Amino acid sequence: EPEVTQTPSHQVTQMGQEVILRCVPISNHLYFYWYRQILGQKVEFLVSFYNNEISEKSEIFDDQFSVERPDGSNFTLKIRSTKLEDSAMYFCASSEAGTNYNEQFFGPGTRLTVL
Amino acid sequence: EDQVTQSPEALRLQEGESSSLNCSYTVSGLRGLFWYRQDPGKGPEFLFTLYSAGEEKEKERLKATLTKKESFLHITAPKPEDSATYLCAVRTSGTYKYIFGTGTRLKVLA
Repeated sequence: EPEVTQTPSHQVTQMGQEVILRCVPISNHLYFYWYRQILGQKVEFLVSFYNNEISEKSEIFDDQFSVERPDGSNFTLKIRSTKLEDSAMYFCASSEAGTNYNEQFFGPGTRLTVL
Repeated sequence: EDQVTQSPEALRLQEGESSSLNCSYTVSGLRGLFWYRQDPGKGPEFLFTLYSAGEEKEKERLKATLTKKESFLHITAPKPEDSATYLCAVRTSGTYKYIFGTGTRLKVLA
């Protein structure tokens, strides 16, 4: 069964460093998303991406964040200068076009720890 | 402000003891309400999409219903493997943004 994959599973970084989180969505999907979940808190929407551009972003997704689909299969989230409060689980999700576009498939997540 | 509230925060059931989880929402215009299951350390797993009041969806021991203000996830004769956190989310009109509730942690005891 096709699935969303994410790498790395755990990333530890120093405050102020740049990190890139990687995702491989399901191959025929056209909508891509990033979410974060701070430990013990709710899942928070960051950004949605369609047709090579951002279709929606939340207040969390400020200038420190960017997304890219560099090669037609990967979907990346970059945090330019990490802060302690960026420590969280980051989930990538994807969905197909058409009537099932709201049915999002989530990856296993990348745990980001900022020291 | 768009909001999603889930109750209870946690629920312990005996195996076979049916119950319901609640998701109430306040949004400017609903474009879909979604239920997910999340196991510890994993990503949410899609369960159901509901679009309009009166709609119902079923899958095995789970049944989701929707009214104009809330949704219920009914669990019939639960088993220990149904233990997980159940998340509710909404999408509002004119956006591609999804708002999640804080979830209900369900524990089913054998």
